[in-house]
Amino acid sequence: QVQLVQSGAEVKKPGSSVKVSCKASGGTFSTYAFSWVRQAPGQGLEWMGGIIPLLATLSYSQKFQGRVTITTDESTSTSYMELSSLRSEDTAVYYCARRGDGSLHFDHWGQGTLVTVSS
Amino acid sequence: SSELTQDPAVSVALGQTVRVTCQGDSLRSFYASWYQQKPGQAPVLVMYGENNRPSGIPDRFSGSSSGNTASLTITGTQAEDEADYYCNSRDSSGLYVFGTGTKVTVL
Repeated sequence: QVQLVQSGAEVKKPGSSVKVSCKASGGTFSTYAFSWVRQAPGQGLEWMGGIIPLLATLSYSQKFQGRVTITTDESTSTSYMELSSLRSEDTAVYYCARRGDGSLHFDHWGQGTLVTVSS
Repeated sequence: SSELTQDPAVSVALGQTVRVTCQGDSLRSFYASWYQQKPGQAPVLVMYGENNRPSGIPDRFSGSSSGNTASLTITGTQAEDEADYYCNSRDSSGLYVFGTGTKVTVL
């Protein structure tokens, strides 16, 4: 059974960084792509970027380019998303989502991690 | 970057049919996928590809696509189908985008 388990809620100061983890179980980690999606309070879903571990391929939304870094650690089947220069508008729930390599859909999602940016 | 546009809200009587649409240029080249999200929960994949349902998704959900528009249809809508629905697609650059979301209310 596939599971994506994310790290716990974070409270951060403006200007700081946050790193959220997503540990995958079930399936062969490197054969999947992992994306990060965020949802601000009362707002829609927003794709931030993704990584294909097998190909070491990264892609980022233009909106977050330069501020977001997505990585993976195959030894622990974990994907990470680090967002820097945090501002209050980055307060949101951050989700990781798995996509089969070559497929166009996200078949499994993490439970979400609330990141609150407040002084 | 590409955009996907959805109607903000639709309502449907219990047991009736509702269609949720998603418009965008990327849909001329790539199939949309659809996600259901209930309050306080993570999104759940309900439709992908030409008209494919993941295991566990009821067959009252169906998908279609024509030109720059993708549609998710719920036939015989149930109370538990009340949720937000988002489409998603990739663009020619390999980037992904979500639609603006549609709130489906079951009357």
